[in-house]
Amino acid sequence: GESVGLHLPTLSVQEGDNSIINCAYSNSASDYFIWYKQESGKGPQFIIDIRSNMDKRQGQRVTVLLNKTVKHLSLQIAATQPGDSAVYFCAGLGGGSYIPTFGRGTSLIVHP
Amino acid sequence: DAGVTQSPTHLIKTRGQQVTLRCSPKSGHDTVSWYQQALGQGPQFIFQYYEEEERQRGNFPDRFSGHQFPNYSSELNVNALLLGDSALYLCASSLWIGQGTNEQFFGPGTRLTVL
Repeated sequence: GESVGLHLPTLSVQEGDNSIINCAYSNSASDYFIWYKQESGKGPQFIIDIRSNMDKRQGQRVTVLLNKTVKHLSLQIAATQPGDSAVYFCAGLGGGSYIPTFGRGTSLIVHP
Repeated sequence: DAGVTQSPTHLIKTRGQQVTLRCSPKSGHDTVSWYQQALGQGPQFIFQYYEEEERQRGNFPDRFSGHQFPNYSSELNVNALLLGDSALYLCASSLWIGQGTNEQFFGPGTRLTVL
């Protein structure tokens, strides 16, 4: 089955810096990816998604990059704010499944 | 418009007991999925319900069972609780895939502690 993992369990940044969170996936059949943000005491919240026919997608202050050659995606957060502090998960879907497979997550800590 | 709601918020049980967790989907949604999230891990898919039937199931034993009601709300039941069942149980609602959307909206979860 799908295996989705993250390179770095914890990322600490200063307020105002740009943050980059990385994720690797193993299932070549994955064709849709989602980034989620989970704040303490809450469920995961959809941030941004990308389909495999794209290599970049931008939202408000966030950008997702997809490199299918090396099965890697990243989430870039511009001008990181204290409210961005949370655990971020990437999840992959595809190969006939509409159920997201989550990795372990990266904890983003933003210092004021 | 209420989002996904879950009850109870927290629950403490002892080994061998049984537990029932409840979920009400976001208004307009007809599909409910349940996930188990161990501390420090990502959510793991348990099963999904649509039209009151289990449609997909993850790699969880038969001790985990569920139900969906005509109003789309759902229950997750776990029998013969083990210490390893301690986790955050998340419910996510969505529209059935045949209607063209995959986006799931998650509830805040129920924190289950098994002693």
